[in-house]
Amino acid sequence: EAGVTQSPTHLIKTRGQQATLRCSPISGHTSVYWYQQALGLGLQFLLWYDEGEERNRGNFPPRFSGRQFPNYSSELNVNALELEDSALYLCASSIVQGDTQYFGPGTRLTVL
Amino acid sequence: AQSVTQPDIHITVSEGASLELRCNYSYGATPYLFWYVQSPGQGLQLLLKYFSGDTLVQGIKGFEAEFKRSQSSFNLRKPSVHWSDAAEYFCAVGADFGNEKLTFGTGTRLTIIP
Repeated sequence: EAGVTQSPTHLIKTRGQQATLRCSPISGHTSVYWYQQALGLGLQFLLWYDEGEERNRGNFPPRFSGRQFPNYSSELNVNALELEDSALYLCASSIVQGDTQYFGPGTRLTVL
Repeated sequence: AQSVTQPDIHITVSEGASLELRCNYSYGATPYLFWYVQSPGQGLQLLLKYFSGDTLVQGIKGFEAEFKRSQSSFNLRKPSVHWSDAAEYFCAVGADFGNEKLTFGTGTRLTIIP
């Protein structure tokens, strides 16, 4: 069974641009979570989607947004990129809300 | 709000020696507790989890953890480490149903020496 997949592996952008990160959950999983792992800040919860709806978000500005598609895959969009957005972005999925979260390999976003 | 403390930033252990990584949590109700491991540049792999029941839980790769409510702790142990165990280890706490997110500790980096 395939795990959580994320694309791209690496993404390089410049300040002010927009970044789009993609995540495909484990087959049969309906909840998708996004986390940011920035140097010195640790792992921080960003967003949670379930059944196509945003259910919860962490303490991040509105320029961090996303969506979940009917096939339960998800997209994270970061607008007006800032240098401090450089981080590893991890996606996780769970079979139902509240169950164990399984993580993908991450997308490394570098903002120059 | 929940929080997790991993007091040891970096631990060095000899190969074959025993290991204990500390984790303390703060949460008002019975927590959901997890240990994940991250190799450099990689995502997180679940080692084990505690939801309820037996307070000693077994995980993959020979790891175990014990939930101690009185000490608000969920320490990770392994009787004999292997060089391949070198990685960063994260303890996490999950909230009640309906507020799903994981709150992570700052991680403990484990170095194995021959």
